[in-house]
Amino acid sequence: KAGVTQTPRYLIKTRGQQVTLSCSPISGHRSVSWYQQTPGQGLQFLFEYFSETQRNKGNFPGRFSGRQFSNSRSEMNVSTLELGDSALYLCASSPTDRVYGYTFGSGTRLTVV
Amino acid sequence: GESVGLHLPTLSVQEGDNSIINCAYSNSASDYFIWYKQESGKGPQFIIDIRSNMDKRQGQRVTVLLNKTVKHLSLQIAATQPGDSAVYFCAENPLGGSQGNLIFGKGTKLSVKP
Repeated sequence: KAGVTQTPRYLIKTRGQQVTLSCSPISGHRSVSWYQQTPGQGLQFLFEYFSETQRNKGNFPGRFSGRQFSNSRSEMNVSTLELGDSALYLCASSPTDRVYGYTFGSGTRLTVV
Repeated sequence: GESVGLHLPTLSVQEGDNSIINCAYSNSASDYFIWYKQESGKGPQFIIDIRSNMDKRQGQRVTVLLNKTVKHLSLQIAATQPGDSAVYFCAENPLGGSQGNLIFGKGTKLSVKP
């Protein structure tokens, strides 16, 4: 059974650009959540989607957005990149609308230069 | 506010010894807690979870203890092995698992000496 797949694994962008990250959940999982991980702030919740609806959003600026498609795949977008956006972005999926059975992907390492 | 913290940022143990990793949480409404292990270059991996109606839960070589009185969580690893070397995070769900919003602690790095 394939796990949570995140693409790309590594990304280098220039300040001011925008970026789109992709997450394919485990087959049959309907909930996808995104987290940002940095050495200084640790793991912080970005947003959660269930059945194409954003159910919960963390305390991040509006430059961070996301969406979920009908096949449960999810994308997150960061516009007008800042140096501080450099981080590991992790996606997790769950079979239901609850965190039980949460499985993380390996993440996308974003570097903003 | 809501926060989950760890008492020790690093822990070094001898192979074969038992390890104990501690975590404090501040949200008394949280009723679901998870321990994750994260190895370099990988995402967090589920180890064990516990709900607030329990004080203790055991898995294979791991035990989680929950003390709601002092809002404390601990992870015990028996017979620690070199493969246990990683960063360990505790996480709480303040909404009783009803939504996918976990609050993570800062992490404890466990180093196992052979």
